[in-house]
Amino acid sequence: ETGVTQSPTHLIKTRGQQVTLRCSSQSGHNTVSWYQQALGQGPQFIFQYYREEENGRGNFPPRFSGLQFPNYSSELNVNALELDDSALYLCASSLAGGTANEKLFFGSGTQLSVL
Amino acid sequence: KQEVTQIPAALSVPEGENLVLNCSFTDSAIYNLQWFRQDPGKGLTSLLLIQSSQREQTSGRLNASLDKSSGRSTLYIAASQPGDSATYLCAVDNDMRFGAGTRLTVKP
Repeated sequence: ETGVTQSPTHLIKTRGQQVTLRCSSQSGHNTVSWYQQALGQGPQFIFQYYREEENGRGNFPPRFSGLQFPNYSSELNVNALELDDSALYLCASSLAGGTANEKLFFGSGTQLSVL
Repeated sequence: KQEVTQIPAALSVPEGENLVLNCSFTDSAIYNLQWFRQDPGKGLTSLLLIQSSQREQTSGRLNASLDKSSGRSTLYIAASQPGDSATYLCAVDNDMRFGAGTRLTVKP
């Protein structure tokens, strides 16, 4: 167990809807990163939040947005869902802005299906 | 743009064998490289982190090496066990560019 919890574990939405995924970071960690993992692929970096500010973003459109709260928990919001958004969404927490030598601790993920 | 490749995509070995998983990356200017294990439908567990100044890291039956100049890392698993069956992923730096993983099956 990593101490990183994600909710919900599974979610089914229809195309065009909006979704919010949640992540509670490990105690003492101030950085949360979000990833999208399609079936059979490695995770793709979406963005990272450090002390409530976005601290890096991957190649995802603006309809993917996020928040980090004062307790360092985080949300991933996806608007105007598309079929290709169906994937496992993972969050990972770390310390100190994810600096070079910090291990990442992953949650078990949210499996999103878009119909 | 950093590209990370893992070969082979899948590997099946009998219990007790020693094995090597490979990870290659295109840009040698990295800060670190991590190896992760992922069980089906689950999150990732960090196995080993190698800083750019290091050549290898060891944890139990696992040994990871890093050769920045050639853009390669290997994960060596000694005396494999059925419980080692999982997908193994390598990732570079803190935006974590992942390879697609190697799916390992260890047969009893």
